[in-house]
Amino acid sequence: KQEVTQIPAALSVPEGENLVLNCSFTDSAIYNLQWFRQDPGKGLTSLLLIQSSQREQTSGRLNASLDKSSGRSTLYIAASQPGDSATYLCAVRLGTGGFKTIFGAGTRLFVKA
Amino acid sequence: KAGVTQTPRYLIKTRGQQVTLSCSPISGHRSVSWYQQTPGQGLQFLFEYFSETQRNKGNFPGRFSGRQFSNSRSEMNVSTLELGDSALYLCASSLEDEKLFFGSGTQLSVL
Repeated sequence: KQEVTQIPAALSVPEGENLVLNCSFTDSAIYNLQWFRQDPGKGLTSLLLIQSSQREQTSGRLNASLDKSSGRSTLYIAASQPGDSATYLCAVRLGTGGFKTIFGAGTRLFVKA
Repeated sequence: KAGVTQTPRYLIKTRGQQVTLSCSPISGHRSVSWYQQTPGQGLQFLFEYFSETQRNKGNFPGRFSGRQFSNSRSEMNVSTLELGDSALYLCASSLEDEKLFFGSGTQLSVL
């Protein structure tokens, strides 16, 4: 059974700091991994999608890496801003035939001005 | 292009009633999946549909059901509501197995 764990559960940093959010999964047979951002009471916004054959993806100040063999992904946020405050969720898409996406519990990030 | 639309945005029901939630995917997306989000359990997979066929179902009781229509719009139904069904219900659409696009969700409160 695929399980997704995110560490830390919460994080508070001063503005401008670079930070890393971690995601681990138990079964390496994934199709892809996606990072999302969720603001309170809202839906999820996709940040980055990494296919199983890829090692990393970048978008602006965000960089996500994937290491299938160790069952890990990291989301790197450079030069954090107060507007980055949100919950960040990691989700793995099961391998071919799985047709199911499993989410981690998320990391709640607060960036202090 | 319009995003994923979920209706209604808020819903208040009493125990024992049933409820139907609606999801209109992004135009051209044939895959629709549903999730339940609660503070205690996080985001949990309910079911996924593709071209009117249910491809997978999460670990929820039979009171939770869904369907997808020929225009890819999807509905989920919860019968005999319980207090524990209070949650944010989220719908997502995608092109095949690619990036998921989420709606704003339906906040269901069961009294």
